[in-house]
Amino acid sequence: AQSVAQPEDQVNVAEGNPLTVKCTYSVSGNPYLFWYVQYPNRGLQFLLKYITGDNLVKGSYGFEAEFNKSQTSFHLKKPSALVSDSALYFCAVRDILGGYNKLIFGAGTRLAVHP
Amino acid sequence: EAGVTQFPSHSVIEKGQTVTLRCDPISGHDNLYWYRRVMGKEIKFLLHFVKESKQDESGMPNNRFLAERTGGTYSTLKVQPAELEDSGVYFCASSQNSGSVHEQFFGPGTRLTVL
Repeated sequence: AQSVAQPEDQVNVAEGNPLTVKCTYSVSGNPYLFWYVQYPNRGLQFLLKYITGDNLVKGSYGFEAEFNKSQTSFHLKKPSALVSDSALYFCAVRDILGGYNKLIFGAGTRLAVHP
Repeated sequence: EAGVTQFPSHSVIEKGQTVTLRCDPISGHDNLYWYRRVMGKEIKFLLHFVKESKQDESGMPNNRFLAERTGGTYSTLKVQPAELEDSGVYFCASSQNSGSVHEQFFGPGTRLTVL
């Protein structure tokens, strides 16, 4: 079965330090991968996606993600964290077996950036 | 450009009552999706419309849930009768036409509490 795992419920980072939010996936075939962020009382906002090409994908707000096929991972990264990055982050993969654009999400990782 | 909107933002109902959630997608988006996040777990797919047609409703929990998209514009999701386990946040998303892997744009969600 296709699935997405976010192994950390919460990640704590000091402002200015680099951050990583982990995601691993299990799919048949080539994955289409996404990261979304949810700020308090807001909907999910698209950050970035990997479809094909360069393994390092750059997205909104200075975030980037690295696709690693051998490790089946798509970790979200940012060189220097801001307090305003504190939010809930979701990794998702397109459900290839299901067809079309149905997304399978991980459980989410809460990022807390401390001043 | 207006984003995806959902109404109401919150709903608190008694077990056995009926609730109808509404979603207005981004204008021109043929694809409309409903997802649900229960008790801090992963966001799960419910169903997918292409215009007014149900493309995939494999995620609908049971026949107490009824989704419609008359005229291919806004969509409603009715729960009748509601049960305690239906509590959660219901997200709506829309995307452009199929054929390419377009990101989905999410609404702010409706938080449903069934007492």
